[in-house]
Amino acid sequence: GESVGLHLPTLSVQEGDNSIINCAYSNSASDYFIWYKQESGKGPQFIIDIRSNMDKRQGQRVTVLLNKTVKHLSLQIAATQPGDSAVYFCAEKEDLNTGTASKLTFGTGTRLQVTL
Amino acid sequence: KAGVTQTPRYLIKTRGQQVTLSCSPISGHRSVSWYQQTPGQGLQFLFEYFSETQRNKGNFPGRFSGRQFSNSRSEMNVSTLELGDSALYLCASSFYETVSGYTFGSGTRLTVV
Repeated sequence: GESVGLHLPTLSVQEGDNSIINCAYSNSASDYFIWYKQESGKGPQFIIDIRSNMDKRQGQRVTVLLNKTVKHLSLQIAATQPGDSAVYFCAEKEDLNTGTASKLTFGTGTRLQVTL
Repeated sequence: KAGVTQTPRYLIKTRGQQVTLSCSPISGHRSVSWYQQTPGQGLQFLFEYFSETQRNKGNFPGRFSGRQFSNSRSEMNVSTLELGDSALYLCASSFYETVSGYTFGSGTRLTVV
């Protein structure tokens, strides 16, 4: 498969355990945050998002926590499965003053390895 | 519902050549964005188009350009290719003016030799 990143931090967890992936962001003006999952040979896949007026949001087996005070975002995956093995990226989005045009700024990514 | 389609999947070009990559967004999506992904720099924003207009541009040299057609399909062009342009080029589409995240295609892997 294609190499997404040669020197990514790696998190190894056992199947069935919970995973926590962390992300620090730098732009205090960002108002929207997204977690993506990228498997080898594929583009990033949307997992869950959160707006800056929230501090927690839950999905199916996933929870995103946002701490604006320290500019920190985390993704929690419950009961991690082998299919969760991938690279995970956080992304932040700032709505620029020019209309509603916006762009995503991605973090460097974390490789999640699920061991049996 | 078809996803974001990028063609071709793989390309090999020689330094100095130019290349054109294509992206067909999800039906109904009017915003198309392009990103470059490399092991060293990660995912970096190239540009965003909406209704055939470039709305935003990242910090890339002028050799990188793009356009969007009336059917929302988009192309990006890289002229005078350099070895450092080798990367996975990703296209993402979104239904503009919502705060939902983009949907990405699988990318075009460009190798410059």
